[in-house]
Amino acid sequence: KQEVTQIPAALSVPEGENLVLNCSFTDSAIYNLQWFRQDPGKGLTSLLLIQSSQREQTSGRLNASLDKSSGRSTLYIAASQPGDSATYLCAVPSRVPSQGGKLIFGQGTELSVKP
Amino acid sequence: DGGITQSPKYLFRKEGQNVTLSCEQNLNHDAMYWYRQDPGQGLRLIYYSQIVNDFQKGDIAEGYSVSREKKESFPLTVTSAQKNPTAFYLCASSTHRGSGANVLTFGAGSRLTVL
Repeated sequence: KQEVTQIPAALSVPEGENLVLNCSFTDSAIYNLQWFRQDPGKGLTSLLLIQSSQREQTSGRLNASLDKSSGRSTLYIAASQPGDSATYLCAVPSRVPSQGGKLIFGQGTELSVKP
Repeated sequence: DGGITQSPKYLFRKEGQNVTLSCEQNLNHDAMYWYRQDPGQGLRLIYYSQIVNDFQKGDIAEGYSVSREKKESFPLTVTSAQKNPTAFYLCASSTHRGSGANVLTFGAGSRLTVL
């Protein structure tokens, strides 16, 4: 059974710092891994999607890496800003056909960037 | 603009009442999903539908019901049998039916509070 874990649960950093969020998964046979951002009381916004054949994806100040063999992904945020404050979630699709392609989510990391 | 619309954004319910949360998408997606989010627990799948007039239970379907009479719509009813319904509910859709390569688009969410 696939399980996704995110550590730490919460992180507070001063503005301008580079930071790394961690995501681990127990079954390395994944199709892809997706990182989402969630602002308080809002829905999820997709940030980056890494296919299983890829090692990393970049979008602006965000860089997501994937190491399937070790069951890990990291989200690197460069030069953090107060506007980056949000909860970041990672998710992988279930490979069980009967589960209709559902996503399995980590618990999220709540990031606070202090000015 | 294409997207997913959830309504209402906030909903209050008395114990013993059924309530229905609306989810409408104009993305022409085949698959639709309902997730529940509780603090510190990430997202858990309630129900999903891969095609009109068909739906399947997710991990926590007890106390919930759905229908899929139209491709665009996937309403969720929270019944009085749901013991702890206070939560944030997220609807999502995707183009792939049952595929592990799913990329999901999420709505803005509905927050249900039981008084």
